[in-house]
Amino acid sequence: AAGVIQSPRHLIKEKRETATLKCYPIPRHDTVYWYQQGPGQDPQFLISFYEKMQSDKGSIPDRFSAQQFSDYHSELNMSSLELGDSALYFCASSLRVGRLSGNTIYFGEGSWLTVV
Amino acid sequence: KNEVEQSPQNLTAQEGEFITINCSYSVGISALHWLQQHPGGGIVSLFMLSSGKKKHGRLIATINIQEKHSSLHITASHPRDSAVYICAVRRGTQGGSEKLVFGKGMKLTVNP
Repeated sequence: AAGVIQSPRHLIKEKRETATLKCYPIPRHDTVYWYQQGPGQDPQFLISFYEKMQSDKGSIPDRFSAQQFSDYHSELNMSSLELGDSALYFCASSLRVGRLSGNTIYFGEGSWLTVV
Repeated sequence: KNEVEQSPQNLTAQEGEFITINCSYSVGISALHWLQQHPGGGIVSLFMLSSGKKKHGRLIATINIQEKHSSLHITASHPRDSAVYICAVRRGTQGGSEKLVFGKGMKLTVNP
């Protein structure tokens, strides 16, 4: 079965550069979530989208932006990168809570971003 | 105080042992997830619970909503069970956001 696909898996950027991470949810899932996990840290919620609209926002820096496209894939754009942005960025997808087909969250493998 | 607390933080066991990982939370939740994270990052969802008990293979997860507590049990542990086990809760009520609040995780090492 298809899972949540993230790309790239690994990315190295220099300070002040820009990075874009992509997430392709499980087919027919309408909700996408982005999480950031720093070294030795627990994942922190960044932002989520439902039906291409932002549905919830967490501790996402102003330098970051995200969107969900018509095919439900999502992109996380990070500008003016700082060393502290080095982390594992997870994407997850689900069907909206309350639908009969269930609402288990499925996670991608994550994208490792290293800022040097 | 963290909203989600896990214990123990680290555990080393011998192959074949019965393992219990605990999770306590302090907020109202609509569901609780047990997740497994292997070195290298990937997170796998093991269980989603809103009440009672679920079993999958050698894994059993229970939740007590009144006591705000959940446990993950691993029977006949195996070295391939070595991973970080994370408890994450979905705050609020049914129909709300799926945003999860994560515990710090418990690093399990199972020695052969």
